[in-house]
Amino acid sequence: GESVGLHLPTLSVQEGDNSIINCAYSNSASDYFIWYKQESGKGPQFIIDIRSNMDKRQGQRVTVLLNKTVKHLSLQIAATQPGDSAVYFCAENPDILTGGGNKLTFGTGTQLKVEL
Amino acid sequence: EAGVAQSPRYKIIEKRQSVAFWCNPISGHATLYWYQQILGQGPKLLIQFQNNGVVDDSQLPKDRFSAERLKGVDSTLKIQPAKLEDSAVYLCASSLDRGRSPLHFGNGTRLTVT
Repeated sequence: GESVGLHLPTLSVQEGDNSIINCAYSNSASDYFIWYKQESGKGPQFIIDIRSNMDKRQGQRVTVLLNKTVKHLSLQIAATQPGDSAVYFCAENPDILTGGGNKLTFGTGTQLKVEL
Repeated sequence: EAGVAQSPRYKIIEKRQSVAFWCNPISGHATLYWYQQILGQGPKLLIQFQNNGVVDDSQLPKDRFSAERLKGVDSTLKIQPAKLEDSAVYLCASSLDRGRSPLHFGNGTRLTVT
């Protein structure tokens, strides 16, 4: 079946460094991708999204890169702060023209730990 | 704007008992979702509503799970009877429509079945 997966379960970075969280997806029909941040005891929080007609999108301190050739998605966090410590999920949404609606498929997540 | 509200925050029940969760989506959001998140995993979609109609319930264990959104706003998810493997966080989310818009999640209900 289709799946979304993350390469690294845990990523440790020093405060102030840049973080890169990677994600592989297998559904070639997916045309919309979202990164979520989930802190302990809370629901997933929207960070940034990107559509398949783009290869890069920037937000505040975050950048998402999409490489459709190798079905790879990454989240870059600049100047990582202690408040960035959380689990990060990538999620994909199949092309709605195939009837997928807005149904998101989540990966298993990467734990980001920021060391002081 | 107010976020997605869920209650209760925690629930502990014995197996074979029943339980219900409540969700109030963001005002104006037509689409509502229930996800199940088992510890250490990503959320998994159980059911999706568009207004008061079901769009997708293909992954809902219908022999024990049911959900409704009668007036197209609030929603309830029920489990009857509960099994040990139902222990998880049940997340409600909403979005403006079915298209390419982000889902906004509540903080979930943590269910423990003993």
